[in-house]
Amino acid sequence: SQQGEEDPQALSIQEGENATMNCSYKTSINNLQWYRQNSGRGLVHLILIRSNEREKHSGRLRVTLDTSKKSSSLLITASRAADTASYFCATDGTGGFKTIFGAGTRLFVKA
Amino acid sequence: GAGVSQSPRYKVAKRGQDVALRCDPISGHVSLFWYQQALGQGPEFLTYFQNEAQLDKSGLPSDRFFAERPEGSVSTLKIQRTQQEDSAVYLCASSLRTGPETQYFGPGTRLLVL
Repeated sequence: SQQGEEDPQALSIQEGENATMNCSYKTSINNLQWYRQNSGRGLVHLILIRSNEREKHSGRLRVTLDTSKKSSSLLITASRAADTASYFCATDGTGGFKTIFGAGTRLFVKA
Repeated sequence: GAGVSQSPRYKVAKRGQDVALRCDPISGHVSLFWYQQALGQGPEFLTYFQNEAQLDKSGLPSDRFFAERPEGSVSTLKIQRTQQEDSAVYLCASSLRTGPETQYFGPGTRLLVL
């Protein structure tokens, strides 16, 4: 079973627009990560945010974490066609080694 | 340096056949993870190694699945008596330190059981 659930399941936008994806999880975490997967490059780590952090930036990416609501969001600004991919959030538990991925958001950026 | 590599990239097996999937992690990485990814789904955790020790195998779906990392580097995931429901992409990932920190994924092995 998967802990994280991404919302929306699919998202289609125009190049230059912003894309926001949300992730909800069920149990306490140490950190939350976002990954991107496309057919060309496989799964690639984007950003990690720890449970004591509320916001983190990396280039055009902005991630927020609300541990009280057990949710996170990933914002991609000024999207490009190359951002077309599936995006997954992944969480760890506070006691084990398991990493739990959500089912992903499929993002399609139209040129 | 090289990333995580996996072989074979594609494997077709007849139902009941045994298969072995190989993972070469990034050199020096302590942690190694195996995942199973069904079409349209996120990766599902199978097992975790810290060096040669298998510390978590809670995700292995049945006793037909076995993983090893005898020298703390290369790992093999073995599936005995394959079934059609084993068809999936098997992903390997490694990370520098212990625990679920940033993971670097291999390209995966796509297994099709006929």
